Amino acid sequence: EDQVTQSPEALRLQEGESSSLNCSYTVSGLRGLFWYRQDPGKGPEFLFTLYSAGEEKEKERLKATLTKKESFLHITAPKPEDSATYLCAVGYQAGTALIFGKGTTLSVSS
Amino acid sequence: DGGITQSPKYLFRKEGQNVTLSCEQNLNHDAMYWYRQDPGQGLRLIYYSQIVNDFQKGDIAEGYSVSREKKESFPLTVTSAQKNPTAFYLCASSIMRNTEAFFGQGTRLTVV
Repeated sequence: EDQVTQSPEALRLQEGESSSLNCSYTVSGLRGLFWYRQDPGKGPEFLFTLYSAGEEKEKERLKATLTKKESFLHITAPKPEDSATYLCAVGYQAGTALIFGKGTTLSVSS
Repeated sequence: DGGITQSPKYLFRKEGQNVTLSCEQNLNHDAMYWYRQDPGQGLRLIYYSQIVNDFQKGDIAEGYSVSREKKESFPLTVTSAQKNPTAFYLCASSIMRNTEAFFGQGTRLTVV
């Protein structure tokens, strides 16, 4: 059973067209939810950590939010350079390492 | 600059051969991890280590081995027992478990 599920698998946007990526989780005792950006052939780059429901973090055109069951990564007025795969991961009380979702591949065209 | 260095970037393995992937970090992190990434599969945990001289199997440890003799180093050996080793291998480290992990640039292993 998937403990971290990301949707959609792929998303195509026009430049300036805002949208959201979803990450839902089913673990008990959440200790942190993490967002990463991964470019092709590269290692994931850390973006945000969220610890509790209601928390929000922002960085340039990205804003991450957290509820008790899911997190959203909102992308406002995206640019082509935002094209990448966005990964969500969770750390939880009984866990020893972060558990990752399969990612959402975002393509932004000009 | 602090970070995680993986080498080599590309590695080719012949059938029946063992190969070792290097991972070094200068972030002074206690925890280190190896993940495997396949298309459509996401990141899957191979091995992790919380402290020097201690490591634990992850979800897909069969056919792999590791050592943690120094805090900075966590090499991964892909043995001939791993029947499908072609993948992208990522090493990561964190201050402790359940905190943000930082990744190296990966090693792409191909069986020839």
